[in-house]
Amino acid sequence: ILNVEQSPQSLHVQEGDSTNFTCSFPSSNFYALHWYRWETAKSPEALFVMTLNGDEKKKGRISATLNTKEGYSYLYIKGSQPEDSATYLCASNTGTASKLTFGTGTRLQVTL
Amino acid sequence: NAGVTQTPKFQVLKTGQSMTLQCAQDMNHEYMSWYRQDPGMGLRLIHYSVGAGITDQGEVPNGYNVSRSTTEDFPLRLLSAAPSQTSVYFCASSPNPSVDTQYFGPGTRLTVL
Repeated sequence: ILNVEQSPQSLHVQEGDSTNFTCSFPSSNFYALHWYRWETAKSPEALFVMTLNGDEKKKGRISATLNTKEGYSYLYIKGSQPEDSATYLCASNTGTASKLTFGTGTRLQVTL
Repeated sequence: NAGVTQTPKFQVLKTGQSMTLQCAQDMNHEYMSWYRQDPGMGLRLIHYSVGAGITDQGEVPNGYNVSRSTTEDFPLRLLSAAPSQTSVYFCASSPNPSVDTQYFGPGTRLTVL
């Protein structure tokens, strides 16, 4: 079974802080790396899909980078706001194009 | 577009009962999938389909059946419910998960007593 690991498991920051999380995945037979944002009592919402080594994606204050050779991706949030509080999931379909394996997520809490 | 819809939103079953969780999408996506979400376990893939008439097993398929007779619908059947199947179930669809994101339904919360 493919292991997709995320760290830290949870994070508590103050409003205005910038923060980042890590997603690691097996680097062989790589297809894509997905990031999702998941608020409590809702369904996961897509942030990014990245496929190429060196990819960088940005959506407002959130950005992500991808290193397929070493098998990791970083998600950055600049100037965290309380509405950024959520669980951030990554998923990879390394090895099998049709099967996404999810990490257990990083739970972010942003307080005033 | 309604996106991905799931019914019911909540369900309580007794051990041994069977039921079908419904999932439909109106985006003409070829790929559909079912996940279960349990505390500390993240999302685990149950079954998936890459097109009408084609289904395959995911990480945790035991106790579940699926079929894909149309592009739009991908029902998940619990054959004989067990307490271990108490979970939140999410259906998702995508044009192609190796390059495109997945769109998730609102989820079904299932309790098996």
